[in-house]
Amino acid sequence: AQSVTQLDSHVSVSEGTPVLLRCNYSSSYSPSLFWYVQHPNKGLQLLLKYTSAATLVKGINGFEAEFKKSETSFHLTKPSAHMSDAAEYFCAMDTGRRALTFGSGTRLQVQP
Amino acid sequence: GAVVSQHPSWVICKSGTSVKIECRSLDFQATTMFWYRQFPKQSLMLMATSNEGSKATYEQGVEKDKFLINHASLTLSTLTVTSAHPEDSSFYICSARTVGGVDQPQHFGDGTRLSIL
Repeated sequence: AQSVTQLDSHVSVSEGTPVLLRCNYSSSYSPSLFWYVQHPNKGLQLLLKYTSAATLVKGINGFEAEFKKSETSFHLTKPSAHMSDAAEYFCAMDTGRRALTFGSGTRLQVQP
Repeated sequence: GAVVSQHPSWVICKSGTSVKIECRSLDFQATTMFWYRQFPKQSLMLMATSNEGSKATYEQGVEKDKFLINHASLTLSTLTVTSAHPEDSSFYICSARTVGGVDQPQHFGDGTRLSIL
């Protein structure tokens, strides 16, 4: 079965410190993987995507993610958190057969 | 580029009313659009896949007579919640995929918050 698991429902960091949001996937196929960010009462904005090219993917706003097939992971990182990064983050998978499969989301809180 | 516009952004109406939500791809053609529902502090759940010129494909448990989907053109899909009741209150989000296959990401509208009194 295809599934996406976000290991942390809530992550809190201090401004200026690194961010790590964890995502694991399960798929019988070679998936495309995405990270989206959602601010309150807004739709989803694409941060970055992995589509079987380079395993280290750079996205917008300083975020990047590394695809590790051996660990079936696609963790999202940022070297230094900013207050504006506080939001809900969703990892998603696309196997090409249907719509995206989303993880349950991780709420990132950034403390001043 | 790749902007998806969803309208209205917020609607409050009485129980029994039908509500139409529009999803438009502004600068690209979308043969496929998706409708999701999101409950507070939860993830997005796919409701249906809308294909231009054909019937929508509904996910298990989604009432097709309750949630009418029309995808009459390559840039517009509509979701009509018929005879809405308070339990239909939710955040509805549409997305569209550009032509070009699975490597093309989905682009999301800003969502519609539906509140049924």
